[in-house]
Amino acid sequence: GNSVTQMEGPVTLSEEAFLTINCTYTATGYPSLFWYVQYPGEGLQLLLKATKADDKGSNKGFEATYRKETTSFHLEKGSVQVSDSAVYFCALAQGSNTGKLIFGQGTTLQVKP
Amino acid sequence: EAQVTQNPRYLITVTGKKLTVTCSQNMNHEYMSWYRQDPGLGLRQIYYSMNVEVTDKGDVPEGYKVSRKEKRNFPLILESPSPNQTSLYFCASSLYGISSTDTQYFGPGTRLTVL
Repeated sequence: GNSVTQMEGPVTLSEEAFLTINCTYTATGYPSLFWYVQYPGEGLQLLLKATKADDKGSNKGFEATYRKETTSFHLEKGSVQVSDSAVYFCALAQGSNTGKLIFGQGTTLQVKP
Repeated sequence: EAQVTQNPRYLITVTGKKLTVTCSQNMNHEYMSWYRQDPGLGLRQIYYSMNVEVTDKGDVPEGYKVSRKEKRNFPLILESPSPNQTSLYFCASSLYGISSTDTQYFGPGTRLTVL
């Protein structure tokens, strides 16, 4: 079945460091891929998304490229801030306008001043 | 303000005592969904609804019921809660479903403890 695997956290970085959070998936065809962010005590918010191979999603300085050949959707940011401290979830949806969404286990990011 | 609301936000109950967690959205969304969040497991989908009177199972539907009698509300029902249903629950909605052109909005969460 479909699945999403994220790198284990927590990830602890200093402010202005480069961030990579790995995400790989298992699915047939061309799923849509998403990154969600959960700030402390809040619900999830969509961060970025991509729908086909080589698509790059971007938002708030974060980027992720849909790599079909490696079945990956790694999240990157060139210079993290303390305010980026949160839990990041990679997710997959099979097909278009579907109802099912599969999440990875989440990666906690802590950014220190 | 466009939002998804859940009630209650916190609930402590005992095994076997039926409970309902309400979810309401004011955005006229057709799609609604319930998830549970557990440490190390991420979010897992319980049930979802593509429209009024249309519901379907997610990955972990056992022990839960839902209904969608009107577009704005999607209650989650635990007929006989057990301790393994202790979790953080999120409701979410979007215009039509999960897609590249549709954004899913999440509620603030309900923390449930079953003793």
